[in-house]
Amino acid sequence: GAVVSQHPSRVICKSGTSVKIECRSLDFQATTMFWYRQFPKQSLMLMATSNEGSKATYEQGVEKDKFLINHASLTLSTLTVTSAHPEDSSFYICSASTMGQGGTEAFFGQGTRLTVV
Amino acid sequence: AQSVSQHNHHVILSEAASLELGCNYSYGGTVNLFWYVQYPGQHLQLLLKYFSGDPLVKGIKGFEAEFIKSKFSFNLRKPSVQWSDTAEYFCAVNGGATNKLIFGTGTLLAVQP
Repeated sequence: GAVVSQHPSRVICKSGTSVKIECRSLDFQATTMFWYRQFPKQSLMLMATSNEGSKATYEQGVEKDKFLINHASLTLSTLTVTSAHPEDSSFYICSASTMGQGGTEAFFGQGTRLTVV
Repeated sequence: AQSVSQHNHHVILSEAASLELGCNYSYGGTVNLFWYVQYPGQHLQLLLKYFSGDPLVKGIKGFEAEFIKSKFSFNLRKPSVQWSDTAEYFCAVNGGATNKLIFGTGTLLAVQP
């Protein structure tokens, strides 16, 4: 299957700083990528849809100025958590979609564990 | 709006027991349905998917799921679980014009040897 690589896998930052997370589709082009957040013992919550060459579409309740998304190429989307606070500590996961047999299929990165201290 | 409901939050089974995890969704149009598994410390992996055709779908590692349109359900089954099946299982759906996946809350399966 297709491979999605996410970097870094783990990051610790100080409160007030910004952190950038990269999501790359390694062997396919992805016009659309998705960013999720997963709280402990909870499901994945869709944060935003990242569209190559245009603005991201944010889900209700997600602050677009807080979580900046850039999808500069067909293989790279970045999520920047700006002015991070401890409550932003979470597991962030990206996915990219490509056409599989019969329909669109999503492939997931390995996730980034963000800890804000 | 689409939503996905998984009824079992935590399931504990002994090896060789049969497994069925419930998943119901709400969406009025054509949907694509997925089951993902997340092993401890690893990323999400696709177990199986339904796009169209035979409503009984077979996936990897002996898992299968049945799409019952009248019940808006897509339950996951395995006849005989193994200790290595210990993981968290997520049901997901997408439909309409977008590719975004909506996930259920997940079911944590613990298989005791």
